[in-house]
Amino acid sequence: GQNIDQPTEMTATEGAIVQINCTYQTSGFNGLFWYQQHAGEAPTFLSYNVLDGLEEKGRFSSFLSRSKGYSYLLLKELQMKDSASYLCAVENSNYQLIWGAGTKLIIKP
Amino acid sequence: EPEVTQTPSHQVTQMGQEVILRCVPISNHLYFYWYRQILGQKVEFLVSFYNNEISEKSEIFDDQFSVERPDGSNFTLKIRSTKLEDSAMYFCASSPRGESTYEQYFGPGTRLTVT
Repeated sequence: GQNIDQPTEMTATEGAIVQINCTYQTSGFNGLFWYQQHAGEAPTFLSYNVLDGLEEKGRFSSFLSRSKGYSYLLLKELQMKDSASYLCAVENSNYQLIWGAGTKLIIKP
Repeated sequence: EPEVTQTPSHQVTQMGQEVILRCVPISNHLYFYWYRQILGQKVEFLVSFYNNEISEKSEIFDDQFSVERPDGSNFTLKIRSTKLEDSAMYFCASSPRGESTYEQYFGPGTRLTVT
């Protein structure tokens, strides 16, 4: 079967750094996405990894290890507006996006 | 900045009725998708569409569902006979799928409530 695992919920402090992990088992791999979703809204794109390594984009970075079926999203200098769910999604060899259940990130002052 | 739009924002229908959810993808995008998200659950892939035909569909996308691109701008999802369990948020997405980007741009969603 196809499976994406990520923690259900994490809590962090404003200004701090948080790492959200994602492990996956899918039928093939074309790339891994991280999306942010605020409650009641559509997912918005954060990052895309297709090769191993770290992709940095401002306060957000995403890492991929294809051999380990593992990725993480790193958020630095946390702001209150970063409180949201973070969704890990893998595009399989059939070009379908398989989604994790999301990690709800709670930022405290 | 171009964006994906969806109408209506909220649709209430009775069980057994047909509904059509509408999407206008970003104009130069070539790949279109429908997803659904039941309240509190994960996003689920329904179908992808390219070159005027379905390219992939999930197990959820059974004979009750159909998609169409009736003109050059709209992309619709039809549910023929709605069931209570079809109540969900339905997201449309589009992508240029060029060599440098595989990003899917999501519309704001249509909340479907089946009573």
